[in-house]
Amino acid sequence: QIQLVQSGPELKKPGESVKISCKASGYTFTNYGMYWVKQAPGQGLQYMGWINTETGKPTYADDFKGRFVFFLETSASTAYLQINNLKNEDMATYFCARSFWCGLQWCPFAYWGQGTLVTVSS
Amino acid sequence: DVQMTQSPSNLAASPGESVSINCKASKSISKYLAWYQQKPGKANKLLIYSGSTLQSGTPSRFSGSGSGTDFTLTIRNLEPEDFGLYYCQQHNEYPNTFGAGTKLELK
Repeated sequence: QIQLVQSGPELKKPGESVKISCKASGYTFTNYGMYWVKQAPGQGLQYMGWINTETGKPTYADDFKGRFVFFLETSASTAYLQINNLKNEDMATYFCARSFWCGLQWCPFAYWGQGTLVTVSS
Repeated sequence: DVQMTQSPSNLAASPGESVSINCKASKSISKYLAWYQQKPGKANKLLIYSGSTLQSGTPSRFSGSGSGTDFTLTIRNLEPEDFGLYYCQQHNEYPNTFGAGTKLELK
């Protein structure tokens, strides 16, 4: 079955970097883009952007341009989110997600990782 | 970006009742709205997409309606497992923005 398994929780200091992994299984990794979603404590879901798993091209939502990096290790069917120069407001749970084929350009997310909590504290 | 406004933020109901959650887009998104359920310890679940199409596995007590800017998720005959957080998301254009969420609590 299709699974997205994310790496474990992280505790980081402001200014440090963090790398979150999302390992996909149960399907051909390069057939579907990988999306990233942020959820700050007690807040809603925020769309961060996506990475084309066929070309490796990332696309970031406006709030996530600059310090956020999406990249792939295709041979391992794994997508990564790296956040550089961590700030207090980056403290959140980060989800990877995959859409399904719905016949449209943008299809909703039928598959989600379990989430990775990033705590930022000095 | 399309802004999605969800209401109410909180909703209390009892098993067996029916509830509705609304989502309003800042511009027309045609019929392309999805609804998700979020519960602690479980993966986020896609319930409905394209406004009214039930995702495989979604119980028939869930229904979605609307088009353009105004959409509604209705849950009839609430079951205990239906309590949790619900989010709408437009999938008409990039970025696929989410609503702020509705917490459905047990009365």
